Amino acid sequence: DSGVTQTPKHLITATGQRVTLRCSPRSGDLSVYWYQQSLDQGLQFLIQYYNGEERAKGNILERFSAQQFPDLHSELNLSSLELGDSALYFCASSWTADMNEQFFGPGTRLTVL
Amino acid sequence: GENVEQHPSTLSVQEGDSAVIKCTYSDSASNYFPWYKQELGKRPQLIIDIRSNVGEKKDQRIAVTLNKTAKHFSLHITETQPEDSAVYFCAASIQAGTALIFGKGTTLSVSS
Repeated sequence: DSGVTQTPKHLITATGQRVTLRCSPRSGDLSVYWYQQSLDQGLQFLIQYYNGEERAKGNILERFSAQQFPDLHSELNLSSLELGDSALYFCASSWTADMNEQFFGPGTRLTVL
Repeated sequence: GENVEQHPSTLSVQEGDSAVIKCTYSDSASNYFPWYKQELGKRPQLIIDIRSNVGEKKDQRIAVTLNKTAKHFSLHITETQPEDSAVYFCAASIQAGTALIFGKGTTLSVSS
């Protein structure tokens, strides 16, 4: 157990819908990262937050957005869902902006029908 | 941006043999190289990492080597066991606290 928690574990929804994925970092970790894992694209970085502020953006679609709250938990919002958005979404956290080690949560499996 | 290539994509070994997975990276500014192990349906777990100021690091049966000049790094697993069977990912990051760029993964199968 890495100490990073994610809810829900599974999510099944229809095309065009909107969902919210939640992540709680390890106690004391200030940085949160979101990754998408699909069969054909592997693990891809989406976005990073550090202490409430957006720090870096990767291959995140405009239909996706995220935020980090004062208690440091983070939410990833996915809207206008398409079949191709079906994937495992992982959250990872690290202690500070200077720490490389990232610890992953258990992931949320999103299925878009 | 950074690009990480990983090979082989699949690797089958007999229990007790050694396994080697290789990765190359494109950005010479990358300075942190972790390896993650992911079992089916589970989270990626950090198993070992190396920084650019070190050439080799070992932890029991696993070791990682880094060649900065050639921009490649490798994972070595000795005395493989069936429980080593998993997907292994290499990654690179350009600076501390930034996103990891992952390779496509290697599926390691260890048969007894």
